[in-house]
Amino acid sequence: KQEVTQIPAALSVPEGENLVLNCSFTDSAIYNLQWFRQDPGKGLTSLLLIQSSQREQTSGRLNASLDKSSGRSTLYIAASQPGDSATYLCAVLRNTGKLIFGQGTTLQVKP
Amino acid sequence: SQTIHQWPATLVQPVGSPLSLECTVEGTSNPNLYWYRQAAGRGLQLLFYSVGIGQISSEVPQNLSASRPQDRQFILSSKKLLLSDSGFYLCAWSHQPSSYEQYFGPGTRLTVT
Repeated sequence: KQEVTQIPAALSVPEGENLVLNCSFTDSAIYNLQWFRQDPGKGLTSLLLIQSSQREQTSGRLNASLDKSSGRSTLYIAASQPGDSATYLCAVLRNTGKLIFGQGTTLQVKP
Repeated sequence: SQTIHQWPATLVQPVGSPLSLECTVEGTSNPNLYWYRQAAGRGLQLLFYSVGIGQISSEVPQNLSASRPQDRQFILSSKKLLLSDSGFYLCAWSHQPSSYEQYFGPGTRLTVT
């Protein structure tokens, strides 16, 4: 059974700091991995999608990496801003199209 | 561009009452559709998914059911709500089969009292 774990559960950093969010999964037979952002009381916004054949994806200040063999992904946020404060979720996709989510990391960026 | 709608945004219902949540997608055809629930202190859990009209797969045995009467319409229902049905319900869609990247709606907050 696929399990997804995100560490840490919560993180507080000062504005401007670079930071890394971690995601690990138990079954390396994934189709792709997706990182989402969720603001309080809102739906999920897709940030980055990494195909299983890819090693990383970049969008603006965000960079996500994928190491299938070790069952790990990281989301790197450069020069964090207060507007980055949210919960970040990673999810692995099986070839059936079903997403398995981690519990999320709640990020607070202090001005 | 594609847009996904959910309504209502919030709902407070007594135990034992029926439920109907609606999700519609615009700007695409023949999408995969999904219902997820996010309960307090728990992660997102896939409840149902559909690859076409009338085709529903259930992931978790429960008090809920889903239907897809039209290509871009997905409905979550219950005949009698339980307290444990409270949560944040999210609808999502993806192209099929392609990359399966999923796009989520704004969600419905359901409180069962």
